[in-house]
Amino acid sequence: GDSVTQMEGPVTLSEEAFLTINCTYTATGYPSLFWYVQYPGEGLQLLLKATKADDKGSNKGFEATYRKETTSFHLEKGSVQVSDSAVYFCALYSGSARQLTFGSGTQLTVLP
Amino acid sequence: DTAVSQTPKYLVTQMGNDKSIKCEQNLGHDTMYWYKQDSKKFLKIMFSYNNKELIINETVPNRFSPKSPDKAHLNLHINSLELGDSAVYFCASSRREGGRVNEQYFGPGTRLTVT
Repeated sequence: GDSVTQMEGPVTLSEEAFLTINCTYTATGYPSLFWYVQYPGEGLQLLLKATKADDKGSNKGFEATYRKETTSFHLEKGSVQVSDSAVYFCALYSGSARQLTFGSGTQLTVLP
Repeated sequence: DTAVSQTPKYLVTQMGNDKSIKCEQNLGHDTMYWYKQDSKKFLKIMFSYNNKELIINETVPNRFSPKSPDKAHLNLHINSLELGDSAVYFCASSRREGGRVNEQYFGPGTRLTVT
């Protein structure tokens, strides 16, 4: 079945540091890939997405590239801010499973 | 305007009680979902409704029953609540486009505490 493996947290960085959160997946066919963010006390918000190989999703300074050869969708940001502190979820949607499959989430804390 | 709303935001109740959580979306989506998030932030899908028909029913106890009066609403009713039901429950919705489900929009969550 489909699965998503995320880098285990928590991750603690200083403001303006470079961020990478690793995500790899297993799926049949050609899934769509997503990153969601959950701020404290809130629901999940879509951060970015990519629907086919080599697509790059980007939003709010975050980027992720759909790499089919390595089955990865790593999240990166060049300079994090305190306001980026949240839990980040990698997810995939495949037509065969007809549902979103989420990774376990990675807690990010950015210190001033 | 709130896209996906849930009520209540907090729910504290005793074991054995029956409770309901309501969800409404004003996005015109045709598919709605219920997720359970445990204390470790792990998300598990419970149910999915497409055009008022159940299309996913994961291994959830039959004490949990989704009810969809129309495609803008998906309520979750829970009978005989147990301690292990304590969690945050999220409602979400999406639009099925050309056979592919688009991204999902989540509600703010309902924190259920069973004592």
